[in-house]
Amino acid sequence: AQKVTQAQTEISVVEKEDVTLDCVYETRDTTYYLFWYKQPPSGELVFLIRRNSFDEQNEISGRYSWNFQKSTSSFNFTITASQVVDSAVYFCALSEARGSQGNLIFGKGTKLSVKP
Amino acid sequence: SQTIHQWPATLVQPVGSPLSLECTVEGTSNPNLYWYRQAAGRGLQLLFYSVGIGQISSEVPQNLSASRPQDRQFILSSKKLLLSDSGFYLCAWSVLRAGAGELFFGEGSRLTVL
Repeated sequence: AQKVTQAQTEISVVEKEDVTLDCVYETRDTTYYLFWYKQPPSGELVFLIRRNSFDEQNEISGRYSWNFQKSTSSFNFTITASQVVDSAVYFCALSEARGSQGNLIFGKGTKLSVKP
Repeated sequence: SQTIHQWPATLVQPVGSPLSLECTVEGTSNPNLYWYRQAAGRGLQLLFYSVGIGQISSEVPQNLSASRPQDRQFILSSKKLLLSDSGFYLCAWSVLRAGAGELFFGEGSRLTVL
């Protein structure tokens, strides 16, 4: 069965600190996709990244970086030098290639608070 | 560019009243469409998805229903709301099939059932 676990319910950091949001997933498929979304207080989910299961290269985009490790079924997200605008709920999600019609299985989210 | 809109943004309804949330997508054709619900303190739960006009798949049995009368229109309805229907409802679309594409979400509709 598919499952996404975000063990950290809430994290609070001070501006400029680095912070890592953990994501562990379960799937029986060999082809799957992993995602991260950001939900600011306005409520809309903003797409951040998609990774397929065959690409384990870590990715960096500005202050954001993602560490995908199939050996531990993890897809962790790190924000470097956090800013107040990073305060949001972050969701990790999984989609299997077959039979899913594209819908995503979401974790319960991690609420990140960045204080000035 | 593609855009997605849903309305109303906020809704307060009494128990037993009907519900209609509407979602439209612009700038793309034949998208997959989805309705998700986010209850307080919980993640997002897929309610319905549609791969074409009139084609609706339900993921969770409940008193809600969905319809897709036009290619880029997706409607979430209920004949009689329950207290447990309160939550934040998100419409989303994607263009790729079989789990390859990211979902793009609307602004959300916050429903409070009293």
